[in-house]
Amino acid sequence: SQQGEEDPQALSIQEGENATMNCSYKTSINNLQWYRQNSGRGLVHLILIRSNEREKHSGRLRVTLDTSKKSSSLLITASRAADTASYFCATYIGGSEKLVFGKGTKLTVNP
Amino acid sequence: DAGITQSPRHKVTETGTPVTLRCHQTENHRYMYWYRQDPGHGLRLIHYSYGVKDTDKGEVSDGYSVSRSKTEDFLLTLESATSSQTSVYFCATGLGNTEAFFGQGTRLTVV
Repeated sequence: SQQGEEDPQALSIQEGENATMNCSYKTSINNLQWYRQNSGRGLVHLILIRSNEREKHSGRLRVTLDTSKKSSSLLITASRAADTASYFCATYIGGSEKLVFGKGTKLTVNP
Repeated sequence: DAGITQSPRHKVTETGTPVTLRCHQTENHRYMYWYRQDPGHGLRLIHYSYGVKDTDKGEVSDGYSVSRSKTEDFLLTLESATSSQTSVYFCATGLGNTEAFFGQGTRLTVV
C-alpha cells in the first residue's frame, strides 16, 4: 500500500481563495515533500519540510508537519488560475531511499 | 527538468512483446527511480537504483526489470507486455533524502 494519502482527492475553489490539502503517511520519516503536476507533465518539487520542523513557508505556500499524527498540510494562499494542478506529498520510507508518493489532490482554481 | 530525458515519449506495443524504456540524466545524480502513474493510484514506485548496478524493488515491481550499467542511464524493461501495463511512466533522479527531479514521462499503450 502507498505511504502517503492526500485529502481531499479533488478541490475546486475560486481565484483568491486559499486551498488546503492534507497528507497522511505511515512510517517514520526524515522529511516530507510536496510536488506539483500540471496536466500531462512531470512532477515539480515545491517544498521540503524536515521531521524536526513544524512549519515552513515558500512564497504563497505554507507547509505544516505533525509527526505525532503522521500528517502534513499544504496551504496555498490567494490562489490563482495558474495554480490549477495536481499536488502530491512524498516521503522516503523509513530511512531508505525509496521515495513514495500519495495519490494526489487535484486542485481546480476557477477564474 | 534537470537534464532528464525519457525515450520514447510515446509507444504503442502489442501484448506479449518486450519493451524497454530509457531514462537518461546529465546531472550525475546517484539515485534514479521509475514510477507508473494511473488514474486513482497516483504515482507508484516500480524500481529504483542507488548506484551503478545497484537496484531495488518498489511497490509494483512484478513484470518489470531494470538495469543501470552507467550513472546516466536507467532502463526499465517489460519482458512481456500486458494490457495492465498500459500507463504513463515517469523517471526521476535525486541526490538522496532530498528533492527528486522528474522527466516528462512516457505514455505506453499495450494493445
